[in-house]
Amino acid sequence: EDQVTQSPEALRLQEGESSSLNCSYTVSGLRGLFWYRQDPGKGPEFLFTLYSAGEEKEKERLKATLTKKESFLHITAPKPEDSATYLCAVGGGATNKLIFGTGTLLAVQP
Amino acid sequence: NAGVTQTPKFQVLKTGQSMTLQCAQDMNHEYMSWYRQDPGMGLRLIHYSVGAGITDQGEVPNGYNVSRSTTEDFPLRLLSAAPSQTSVYFCASSITHFGQPQNTIYFGEGSWLTVV
Repeated sequence: EDQVTQSPEALRLQEGESSSLNCSYTVSGLRGLFWYRQDPGKGPEFLFTLYSAGEEKEKERLKATLTKKESFLHITAPKPEDSATYLCAVGGGATNKLIFGTGTLLAVQP
Repeated sequence: NAGVTQTPKFQVLKTGQSMTLQCAQDMNHEYMSWYRQDPGMGLRLIHYSVGAGITDQGEVPNGYNVSRSTTEDFPLRLLSAAPSQTSVYFCASSITHFGQPQNTIYFGEGSWLTVV
């Protein structure tokens, strides 16, 4: 069964304290792994797409990496404005649709 | 450029009432979809459309209808609202089919629906 699991469910960091969020997946025929940021009361905002194992992408303090079974979203020296829910989704699988994880709620305290 | 626009933002319905959530995009995207987001669950696909006049069911279609008469608009209709349909609804659009490479999906701001 196609599945996406994100961990941890919630993460609290001090400003400047680097960490990583995990997205593990089981899907046949991966057509892309997507990371989104979602602020309270808003729709998901696109961050990255990764297509093959070994691929990495960066944007400001965020870096996404991909292996054959999981993806990490590394946050370096986070700031309070990085606080949000981070969603992972995979495209492909039996239905060739997007399958979303439940998200990681990140809180960065000053 | 407004992107994806959803209305209303908030709505309270009584059980059995019907209503339509509106979605419009100005990016000339062929692919549009509706998701619902519930606590502890990932976004789940309700219905989607690959172009004007073409729609199909997603993961959780029961109780919802859609139509796509124009490229820009993709309304979601609740036929007879039930408390289980209390949720946050997101409309999304993209250039190509979901799960395809080089695809960015744009989401609306969401519609909060409560059924009492």
